[in-house]
Amino acid sequence: AQTVTQSQPEMSVQEAETVTLSCTYDTSESNYYLFWYKQPPSRQMILVIRQEAYKQQNATENRFSVNFQKAAKSFSLKISDSQLGDTAMYFCALAQSGGGADGLTFGKGTHLIIQP
Amino acid sequence: EPEVTQTPSHQVTQMGQEVILRCVPISNHLYFYWYRQILGQKVEFLVSFYNNEISEKSEIFDDQFSVERPDGSNFTLKIRSTKLEDSAMYFCASSVLRWNTGELFFGEGSRLTVL
Repeated sequence: AQTVTQSQPEMSVQEAETVTLSCTYDTSESNYYLFWYKQPPSRQMILVIRQEAYKQQNATENRFSVNFQKAAKSFSLKISDSQLGDTAMYFCALAQSGGGADGLTFGKGTHLIIQP
Repeated sequence: EPEVTQTPSHQVTQMGQEVILRCVPISNHLYFYWYRQILGQKVEFLVSFYNNEISEKSEIFDDQFSVERPDGSNFTLKIRSTKLEDSAMYFCASSVLRWNTGELFFGEGSRLTVL
């Protein structure tokens, strides 16, 4: 079975700082997809960024970027120039390319607080 | 902007009662899902649904659970005889592409409390 581990239950940074959320995972597959989802307070989970394991280039979306280390099975999220609206739960998730009964496997989440 | 909507937002029920959670996925999406999150635990996959049938389901999704798309717009999760351990937040999601490649769009969740 695949697993996703987020070792930081909560992080707090000042507005405009850069913050990195860590995620490690385990899977027996060679091809898979990795995601970061954001859940603001009392709002839906939304996709922040997505990485395909066969692509070596790290995905970026505006202020959000990932550091994908396939050999180390690490997939961290970097948020640059953090904003108050970035305050949310952040979930790392893994999907095997072949599908399967595990579905989209989530980590426990990191509660990120951006302080003014 | 299209959204996945879920009702009710919170339901309290007695152990042994049947519960139906409702979801309206985004209209042009083809894949539908239920996930749940027990307080303090991970978000866990329950089931995926495509072309009017279950395509994948987890070990959690036992005979007490069922899903249905009764009218082409709603997507429901039924728990036949609720147990205390069914207390959780239940998230519905939908997507254009299959879950392992495409973006899932989630609802805000339905909190189920079983007493």
